[in-house]
Amino acid sequence: EAQVTQNPRYLITVTGKKLTVTCSQNMNHEYMSWYRQDPGLGLRQIYYSMNVEVTDKGDVPEGYKVSRKEKRNFPLILESPSPNQTSLYFCASSLSSEVFSGTDTQYFGPGTRLTVL
Amino acid sequence: AQKVTQAQTEISVVEKEDVTLDCVYETRDTTYYLFWYKQPPSGELVFLIRRNSFDEQNEISGRYSWNFQKSTSSFNFTITASQVVDSAVYFCALVTIRGFQKLVFGTGTRLLVSP
Repeated sequence: EAQVTQNPRYLITVTGKKLTVTCSQNMNHEYMSWYRQDPGLGLRQIYYSMNVEVTDKGDVPEGYKVSRKEKRNFPLILESPSPNQTSLYFCASSLSSEVFSGTDTQYFGPGTRLTVL
Repeated sequence: AQKVTQAQTEISVVEKEDVTLDCVYETRDTTYYLFWYKQPPSGELVFLIRRNSFDEQNEISGRYSWNFQKSTSSFNFTITASQVVDSAVYFCALVTIRGFQKLVFGTGTRLLVSP
């Protein structure tokens, strides 16, 4: 089954304790990205990756790191989480980095609800 | 810069009523895609529709229909004969030819359908 998986789905942590949220897709997609969802703000892009070893900042990258060492995985790293990073996080992927390739659609993972105390 | 506005924060209707969710977008690009996603209480994002800027034909899928009007930069979503299962947050989103696949989301409209 084609899917984007995220782990963990729920996480409660404390300020300053490094954490990683994993994202994996099994569709051989080139493009992957991370979004955070906050009440009244919708979803905003944190980072994206056009392909292996190619990553770039989205609209709200502060406090986050990413890496893309393999095509299928795109982990989100919070080196020193703070309470303002409490949010619902989504990973997404799509086949091509070219938006107008075929009928490309972004597939979203199930979301990770993070609480930083 | 790209922007999507969903002015309706929350809408409450009674089952079987028709409801329209508004979406207004801004972009200087002439080539772009518009999307609607549904987020049920379980939290996942469910893709509903994708339209490109060159296709202004309205689309109907069962009880769902979409009205795309470039003249008013709007991409409105209508649910006919709403049902309790339609209760969710609905997001409108935009991606442009220069956007590197970045979806620009509106703030969402929460739809509550009561029996």
